[in-house]
Amino acid sequence: DIAMTQTPLSLSVTPGQPASISCKSSQSLLDSDGKTYLYWYLQRPGQAPQLLMYEVSKRFSGVSERFSGSGSGTDFTLKISRVEAEDVGVYYCMQAIELPLTFGGGTRVDIK
Amino acid sequence: QVQLVQSGAEVKKPGSSVKVSCKTSGGTFSTQTITWVRQAPGQGPEWMGRIVPILGTVNFAQKFQGRGTITADRSTSTAYMELNNLRSDDTAVYYCANAFGVAAPRNWGQGTLVIVSS
Repeated sequence: DIAMTQTPLSLSVTPGQPASISCKSSQSLLDSDGKTYLYWYLQRPGQAPQLLMYEVSKRFSGVSERFSGSGSGTDFTLKISRVEAEDVGVYYCMQAIELPLTFGGGTRVDIK
Repeated sequence: QVQLVQSGAEVKKPGSSVKVSCKTSGGTFSTQTITWVRQAPGQGPEWMGRIVPILGTVNFAQKFQGRGTITADRSTSTAYMELNNLRSDDTAVYYCANAFGVAAPRNWGQGTLVIVSS
C-alpha cells in the first residue's frame, strides 16, 4: 500500500495569516494518463470530510480561492492564503492512483 | 449536486453483522462509483471498498476481504455495505461517497455510527 505522510501534525494560525501543509507519498502519484491522483480533504469538527482539491491543484466546486494545491511526483503542498475561522478542522491528503486508497495521518488546524 | 443519505446509528454485539445503506439522489446512480470509508474514534479515514453499479464490480481493501460485502440496488439508487463477524475495533463512523474516477470520495454521506459492544 502507498504510505502518505503529512506534516505538521498541527498548526495554530492567526486569522488572516497563511498556512501550509505538506504531504509526501511513498511512491509517485503520477499516472500513465498524465494525471496525478492526489486529493485534499477538510474535516470540520463533528462533520464528514469534504473534498477541497483533486488532482493536486484543482479546486472542487464551491471551494474558496484561498485554497491552493501544488506539487508533483511524491511531494505535495496545500496552502491557505489567509486563514479564516471556518478553516478550522483536520486536513487529510489522500492518494487515488491505486487501490487501496490511503490517507495521510491528518493535520489539525486551529485559530490562535 | 449528488446527495447521499445514510441509514441511522447501530449498536451491535461482537460476532454479529451490520448493513449500512446509502441512498443517492441528484445524479445517475448506475454510472457512479460508490466508495466506502470508515473512521474509528480519534483516527483518520480508512478506505474500505467500492462498487461500480453499472458493472457490478466490487473491490475491497484486503483487511475487509471475506468479511465485507458491498451491493447496489439500481432501482432505488441505494448502495449497501455489510460487515460480518464484527469486533470491537469495528466501532467507527462509516461513510459512503460518490467517487471521482476509480474511487476517490467526492460528495460524502452524513456518516453512520456503528458501535460494537457486548
